[in-house]
Amino acid sequence: DIQMTQSPSSLSASVGDRVTITCRASQSISSYLNWYQQKPGKAPKLLIYAASSLQSGVPSRFSGSGSGTDFTLTISSLQPEDFATYYCQQSYSTRFTFGPGTKVDIK
Amino acid sequence: QVTLKESGPVLVKPTETLTLTCTVSGFSLSNARMGVSWIRQPPGKALEWLAHIFSNDEKSYSTSLKSRLTISKDTSKSQVVLTMTNMDPVDTATYYCARISLLSGYDGPVYYFDYWGQGTLVTVSS
Repeated sequence: DIQMTQSPSSLSASVGDRVTITCRASQSISSYLNWYQQKPGKAPKLLIYAASSLQSGVPSRFSGSGSGTDFTLTISSLQPEDFATYYCQQSYSTRFTFGPGTKVDIK
Repeated sequence: QVTLKESGPVLVKPTETLTLTCTVSGFSLSNARMGVSWIRQPPGKALEWLAHIFSNDEKSYSTSLKSRLTISKDTSKSQVVLTMTNMDPVDTATYYCARISLLSGYDGPVYYFDYWGQGTLVTVSS
């Protein structure tokens, strides 16, 4: 199975900061990479699909990039509602796998 | 409006079999561009994909749990059922069902989970 890693595992940031989260796949997955946001006690929410396509209704401060094995999720200006855990997920193989998550909390 | 709702026991004993049902609305399980997955999350831990099923009855299972899982669907009832045998306390988790959408127009099909149920916490304890 394709293994996904994320870095950092957690970060502290302030409102207005630019935040970047990295996701790496154990083999090339082309652009078959999705990003989700999860808040405590809630189901995950799709942010980005196919590495860089913004899901409908998601604010434009979220963006994704990368291909092959290395991907990034960027929040251009962190807002109070963005404090959450972020997961990447590969769909190159239909044995889907998630990364371990990156928790973004308030500095 | 697309919704998914998980149902099943909140408590199971070790060695028992867990049966969870996902009831969907707002889309059809016969839609060729959609499927349903089960995903779980132990308390304080990461998401783990378990299984999926598509309209053509194509199924796939987590490699590590394949021997314990069975997924099926009843299109007429708009339900997807997951069974997991030989439950253990380490299987304590919130279990989610999620819709898989399929997009074409890329190098190949793009899959993503665009709608999720609220999740159901299953505790395994004697």
